[in-house]
Amino acid sequence: GQQLNQSPQSMFIQEGEDVSMNCTSSSIFNTWLWYKQEPGEGPVLLIALYKAGELTSNGRLTAQFGITRKDSFLNISASIPSDVGIYFCAGTPYSGGSNYKLTFGKGTLLTVNP
Amino acid sequence: GAVVSQHPSRVICKSGTSVKIECRSLDFQATTMFWYRQFPKQSLMLMATSNEGSKATYEQGVEKDKFLINHASLTLSTLTVTSAHPEDSSFYICSAGGLNTGELFFGEGSRLTVL
Repeated sequence: GQQLNQSPQSMFIQEGEDVSMNCTSSSIFNTWLWYKQEPGEGPVLLIALYKAGELTSNGRLTAQFGITRKDSFLNISASIPSDVGIYFCAGTPYSGGSNYKLTFGKGTLLTVNP
Repeated sequence: GAVVSQHPSRVICKSGTSVKIECRSLDFQATTMFWYRQFPKQSLMLMATSNEGSKATYEQGVEKDKFLINHASLTLSTLTVTSAHPEDSSFYICSAGGLNTGELFFGEGSRLTVL
């Protein structure tokens, strides 16, 4: 089945630093999504990507859909303490609808020291 | 984005009892909803796909008779954990498709503790 390798597994950074995490898949994906999950909460959608090479921003967050369709990365600039949480990548080889199962990465735990 | 709500957020029950968790899409209709289970410090594990008006599709290894799913309307799916045991204690999360291609929005999650 499809697998997503997400790295790094965890990060400990100082407030103000930039953060980068990435996901690679064993097969081609046509949709990439990035989520953030805080303790005791469900994941919250941060950015959705639909085209190879697409670069999309959401505030201090920027995500890119790799041109090979097998990878994606998420950058967080000028991190702040509230960025703490687990970030998940997710993807699907399908496009054109929202009723398809997603494959999830194992998550990147981000800790920001003030 | 679209809003998906779960209830209850926390539930504690005795072993052998059944527990029902509701998942509602508040501002859109969802023909398909997904149910996940998440263990501490782990990723989300898809349990089943809930289809409005038809039987749910379960992932391999998930007992359909233990985790009953009902999707009776376009805005509500329920997960019933039957004859719950301590090993069923977990964080259960539902999701539903949004208006845009590929987007899935998640509920707040339901923490089940079976004593």
